[in-house]
Amino acid sequence: KQEVTQIPAALSVPEGENLVLNCSFTDSAIYNLQWFRQDPGKGLTSLLLIQSSQREQTSGRLNASLDKSSGRSTLYIAASQPGDSATYLCAVKDNAGNMLTFGGGTRLMVKP
Amino acid sequence: NAGVTQTPKFQVLKTGQSMTLQCAQDMNHEYMSWYRQDPGMGLRLIHYSVGAGITDQGEVPNGYNVSRSTTEDFPLRLLSAAPSQTSVYFCASSRAGAKHRELFFGEGSRLTVL
Repeated sequence: KQEVTQIPAALSVPEGENLVLNCSFTDSAIYNLQWFRQDPGKGLTSLLLIQSSQREQTSGRLNASLDKSSGRSTLYIAASQPGDSATYLCAVKDNAGNMLTFGGGTRLMVKP
Repeated sequence: NAGVTQTPKFQVLKTGQSMTLQCAQDMNHEYMSWYRQDPGMGLRLIHYSVGAGITDQGEVPNGYNVSRSTTEDFPLRLLSAAPSQTSVYFCASSRAGAKHRELFFGEGSRLTVL
């Protein structure tokens, strides 16, 4: 059974700092990996999706990398802003493509 | 731009009561799914559907029923609510056979079972 772990569970940084969020998974036979953002009381918003054949994806200040063989992904946020404060979740999709397994999330607070 | 719409947003039930959480999407997505989110447990898949008339179980299906009579709607039914079903429920959809496609989420339905 796939297990997804995110470390740290919570992170507080000053504005402007570059930061890295970590995601690890136990079964490397994944189809893709997706990073989401969740604001309090809201649903999830997709940030980046990396196919299993890809190494990284970039969107603005966000860069996500994938090392499938080692079961790891990182989400890099450059020049963090208070508006980046949210919970970030990673999720991996199995090879059948129908089930997404989520990590527990990293709760990020960026202080002005 | 409605996207994925869930109703109700909040609901309180007594143990043993039944109810249906509604989910509708206007993006013509074939794939729809229900997740529950609990503190310390992350999001877990309850049921999913790859098209009208087709449903399948996810990781935690017990106590929940689903049906998919139309492409747009995917209701989640609790036949006899239990306190263990207190949670936030999310509906999500994506394109069919869309292994590469991103998942779109509703804003959630917060359910409390007393």
